[in-house]
Amino acid sequence: EVQLVESGGGLVRPGGSLRLSCGASGFTFSDYWMTWVRQAPGKGLQCVANIKEDGSEKYYVDSVKGRFTISRDNARNSLFLQMNTLRVEDTAVYYCARGAFGFDVWGQGTTVTVSS
Amino acid sequence: DIQMTQSPSTLSAFVRDRVTITCRASQSISTWLAWYQQKPGRAPGLLIYAASSLQSGVPSRFSGSGSGTEFTLTISSLQPDDAATYYCQHYDGHSTWTFGLGTKVEIK
Repeated sequence: EVQLVESGGGLVRPGGSLRLSCGASGFTFSDYWMTWVRQAPGKGLQCVANIKEDGSEKYYVDSVKGRFTISRDNARNSLFLQMNTLRVEDTAVYYCARGAFGFDVWGQGTTVTVSS
Repeated sequence: DIQMTQSPSTLSAFVRDRVTITCRASQSISTWLAWYQQKPGRAPGLLIYAASSLQSGVPSRFSGSGSGTEFTLTISSLQPDDAATYYCQHYDGHSTWTFGLGTKVEIK
């Protein structure tokens, strides 16, 4: 079964850091672009960052540039999002998703809450 | 940056009604458009990619059309299970990706 499972969310104070992980199974992870998408409470969807199959290209939405870093470990079938200098407005459910030309597989999401 | 405008923001229809959702791009995006369905508390699911290609496993009552700046998602015969929020998404391949604000579909 093709599956993505996120972990690493939690409650953190403004200015803090978190590292999200996404484990992939059921497909050849190294064949796909991967993306992090977030959804603030009661709001719509926002792509945060994505990464090429071999990790050689990475793109970020402007609001997280310089604070978030996307990475992957193809040997471990894992995707990561290092989030530093977190802000209240980063509070959201974070999903990992497969692909770049439309996201055809999604994880269940992990919740990040930034609050003092 | 390309902006994606969805309309309506909400709609209410009867079972078996034909439902159409529109997504407009602020400039031409060819057919670089996808549609997603999201139910409360769940991750989104891909319905349509490349503006009109039906994702595997998606019921045939869903269809997409359009190119350039105007796109539509049509549900030919609305079913109770279709109550959800629908999002369009523009993608240019790598560095640009933008979701619309969503259309909430309710069943009367």
